[in-house]
Formats: sequence, C-alpha cells, structure tokens
Amino acid sequence: KNQVEQSPQSLIILEGKNCTLQCNYTVSPFSNLRWYKQDTGRGPVSLTIMTFSENTKSNGRYTATLDADTKQSSLHITASQLSDSASYICVVSDRGSTLGRLYFGRGTQLTVWP
Amino acid sequence: EADIYQTPRYLVIGTGKKITLECSQTMGHDKMYWYQQDPGMELHLIHYSYGVNSTEKGDLSSESTVSRIRTEHFPLTLESARPSHTSQYLCASSEGQRGALEKLFFGSGTQLSVL
Repeated sequence: KNQVEQSPQSLIILEGKNCTLQCNYTVSPFSNLRWYKQDTGRGPVSLTIMTFSENTKSNGRYTATLDADTKQSSLHITASQLSDSASYICVVSDRGSTLGRLYFGRGTQLTVWP
Repeated sequence: EADIYQTPRYLVIGTGKKITLECSQTMGHDKMYWYQQDPGMELHLIHYSYGVNSTEKGDLSSESTVSRIRTEHFPLTLESARPSHTSQYLCASSEGQRGALEKLFFGSGTQLSVL
C-alpha cells in the first residue's frame, strides 16, 4: 500500500533554533517528492521538489534531502523564525500513470516560540 | 503568490441546504482539483479536471459535483448539505503537462460548517 508517513506529528522550538522534519514513504514507482508549507487558514505552498537523482536541495533556510534507497526525505530548517510556524506537508508522486498520482502525508505542525 | 481564489472563506449553513463553493484561477492552468482536509489529516482528492468539459471523481467518495465550463472556473456543488460535510475544502490547479513535475497551486480554502 502506497503511504507517506511524517514525523514528528508536532514540534515546538525556540526562535533561532534549527529543526528537522522527517518523511518516510512506500510509494512505488517513485517520481518526485515535494515539501509544502501550509500557514494556518491558507492553502499549501510548494517549498521544494526532489527527484530520484537529487540528494540535497536548498531554498533559503530550508534544505531538503532525499534518500531514494531507504525512501526517506527530510526538511531541515535553519535559524527558525516566527513565520516558520506552519504545517509542513510531504507529497510523493508516482510514475504509475502518465499524469502521476499524489500521496499526501498528514503534515508536521511546527510552532516557533519567541 | 498563486492566482487562485476561493469564495467564500467561511460558510455556516443548515442541513439540507444547497451550496456552491467557487474556485477561479487566472494562470490558464488546464488541471484543477478539489481536496478535502480535516484537522491533522492528509488531503483527500474528491474531484479533478483535465480541462474544459472534463471532470473526474477522486479517491474520496463525495456527494458533491463539479463542472468545468471555462478553463478558469471550477465550482463545487453540494445539493443537500449534511453535518458530515463539515470540513475544509481546498481548490488547486497545475499546468498539467504529461510527465511534468507537477506543482500544485492552492487557494486559501473554504471552511464549511453544516449545522
């Protein structure tokens, strides 16, 4: 069964600290993996995409990693800011059809305290 | 910022009412989607469209219907709302080219409460 599991479910950190969010998936075949950020009361916004051949990709203070062998991805946030408080959703796409199917994780709810 | 708009943002209605959730995008995207999201749960696909006059049901069984008469407009209708329909409804669009690394652009959602 194709699944996407995220951990932790929720996380509280102090402003300025770093944190790492995890995403494990069983989706096969694999096409790509995206991390989305969803602010409260808003729709998700794409942060970064990882394809099969990519190991690491950065977008400002966000760095995503992908290990396609172990089917794991992480999102590392450096020097957290209050505006980083949001839900971070891992979404995996398969190559099972020409249009691809998306599998969503339940998200990690990050709270950054001053 | 994504140019995809949903109205209303919040809706509280009584059981049995007919409602239409509006979704419009100005990006010219062919593919559009409706997702349902409950707190702490993953997004569930309820409808999608490949283009004008194309609509398909998603993974989650839904009593709603959709239409796609114009590229930019993808409304969702509930003929008779029930308390079980209480949820957040998110509309999204993408460029939809076959084989593309699909990136979804989401609206801000409609929070529906059925009393």
